[in-house]
Amino acid sequence: DVKVTQSSRYLVKRTGEKVFLECVQDMDHENMFWYRQDPGLGLRLIYFSYDVKMKEKGDIPEGYSVSREKKERFSLILESASTNQTSMYLCASSPGGVHTGELFFGEGSRLTVL
Amino acid sequence: GEDVEQSLFLSVREGDSSVINCTYTDSSSTYLYWYKQEPGAGLQLLTYIFSNMDMKQDQRLTVLLNKKDKHLSLRIADTQTGDSAIYFCAARNAGNNRKLIWGLGTSLAVNP
Repeated sequence: DVKVTQSSRYLVKRTGEKVFLECVQDMDHENMFWYRQDPGLGLRLIYFSYDVKMKEKGDIPEGYSVSREKKERFSLILESASTNQTSMYLCASSPGGVHTGELFFGEGSRLTVL
Repeated sequence: GEDVEQSLFLSVREGDSSVINCTYTDSSSTYLYWYKQEPGAGLQLLTYIFSNMDMKQDQRLTVLLNKKDKHLSLRIADTQTGDSAIYFCAARNAGNNRKLIWGLGTSLAVNP
């Protein structure tokens, strides 16, 4: 089975701290995604990557950056956390081609910024 | 712009059928997906349908697609309490085909 593992289920950080959220997938998928999920707003795409070192902005990239140095790992970075970044963060991966939309999600990382 | 809409809540009795509806705006959507999210978990893909199909059946799940009306539905037969979850509809268009357009999700409550 495909497994997408997010490094932390729960994090509490202070305003201004740098935050790293790590995601690893074990099925050699070419695509990886970071979403945030907020009540009433659904899933919003932050960034995605379709290859090592390649990244594209999603719908809400402001305040975030990403890194994909290896195919299996996709990191989300909050350079200076703010309270409005308190959210559930979901990582996903998918194969390429016609299967691109078949996303496999991690369990999520709930970030609280105080 | 592209949009996917779903009703927010649905409540059914155990054993009944559930029908979750979704409408989308982009007529070039090529694949339409249903994902399920159980409490405290990530999403999992339930099923998907290609735009040249009208129907797809997979065990208790039936997906119907009306391309003319841009309407998608997910029917769950013999709904069980374990089906209580949020169900998301998503569309992928031929242009920017790595991004999915998501609905806000329908929260299904199954009452014993």
